[in-house]
Parts: sequence; structure tokens; C-alpha cells
Amino acid sequence: NAGVTQTPKFRVLKTGQSMTLLCAQDMNHEYMYWYRQDPGMGLRLIHYSVGEGTTAKGEVPDGYNVSRLKKQNFLLGLESAAPSQTSVYFCASSSGGAGAHEQYFGPGTRLTVT
Amino acid sequence: KQEVTQIPAALSVPEGENLVLNCSFTDSAIYNLQWFRQDPGKGLTSLLLIQSSQREQTSGRLNASLDKSSGRSTLYIAASQPGDSATYLCAVTRHSGYALNFGKGTSLLVTP
Repeated sequence: NAGVTQTPKFRVLKTGQSMTLLCAQDMNHEYMYWYRQDPGMGLRLIHYSVGEGTTAKGEVPDGYNVSRLKKQNFLLGLESAAPSQTSVYFCASSSGGAGAHEQYFGPGTRLTVT
Repeated sequence: KQEVTQIPAALSVPEGENLVLNCSFTDSAIYNLQWFRQDPGKGLTSLLLIQSSQREQTSGRLNASLDKSSGRSTLYIAASQPGDSATYLCAVTRHSGYALNFGKGTSLLVTP
């Protein structure tokens, strides 16, 4: 049981490049989330999904897209990376909504955009 | 908008001390509150979850309390150990939302 895994662990992009971050969970959780963590800002929700085929915007969605084609996977895409997207990205999952259930976090992806 | 504040931002204590970390939130209409631990360069590990109807939760040397009406929670760590050194984050969930609103964390250092 690996829990929540994220790929890749580190990435450096040039401004304007695109990339996709992959999150996978093996706990059969319905809900999945993408957060970013910045110094002095805390963690902020980018997008979330309440089930396969669904996605919704969080607090800071601009510049990101997501897809949940399979229940166990939640993809975060950056179409045209900007230096402001330099951050540590965390994926999380829960069996129910955040209000009722614990969220389990992945180890993070450290992204630098130059 | 829900604001979550954690005080102090950093704390250093000698091994064996009992300590309290504080968390306050501006909107008392929460569903639950979670305390997390984050080690440097790692993800978050959930420590305790307190439902809004509960007053406290305990796990080993950790005890978290919740006073929803005053918008406060505390995390009590008994007999601290160097292995407790980490950043501790609290987060609340609004009644109507799915997301967690996080505080900025308290960085704890327990010295041998």
C-alpha cells in the first residue's frame, strides 16, 4: 500500500514550457486535491475532484488545468509555465469530503520555473 | 474569508519539556480541524482530526483541543523528544467546502 505518490519529485522548467504532474493513490479514495505551498503563504488549494471524471476550481486555479480520467489518478497541467508557478506541489486524497475525512498527502513535487 | 493563524511561528525547547502550539481561526463555522506534521522536504502527515462537535482528540503523547466558539485550537505535546522536531500545521474545513484552510505552521525544534 503506497498511499499517495507523486511524479516527478523535482523539475526545472523554462518560462513558457508545459508539463504534467501525476498523482496516484491506491486507497480507492473518491476525493483528490492539488495544493501548492509557498514560503510565507501556507498551502493553498489549486483544484480538486470529488470523483472520477469531475474537477473543480480551488482558491488559486489560474494557469493550471486538471483531469481525473481514472479514479486513482489526478493530473495537474501547466500549459505555459511562469516563474510565479515556482512552488512545491502537493497532492492529497480522502475517502469523503474534506469536512468529514482525513486527507492523506503525497511527498510533493518541487518545481522551479526559470 | 477564513484566516488561520498559528503562534508562535517558531519554537525551541529542550528535550523532555511539555509544550503547547496554538491555532486560531476567524470563522467559527467549521466542519473540522486537523493537525499535521511536516518534516523538511517531505509531505504532510495527519496527526489528529477533531470534528466540530468534539472538544479534544488524543493520540499517544499528543492532545488536541478545540474551542469552536472562540476560534481556537491547541496541540499539546507531552515529554517532547528530538524526533518531534518538525513543522506543525493546523487546517480547518468550512461547512460548505471541501478544501482545507491552512495556517502557516509552527516550526518546532527539540534539542537533546
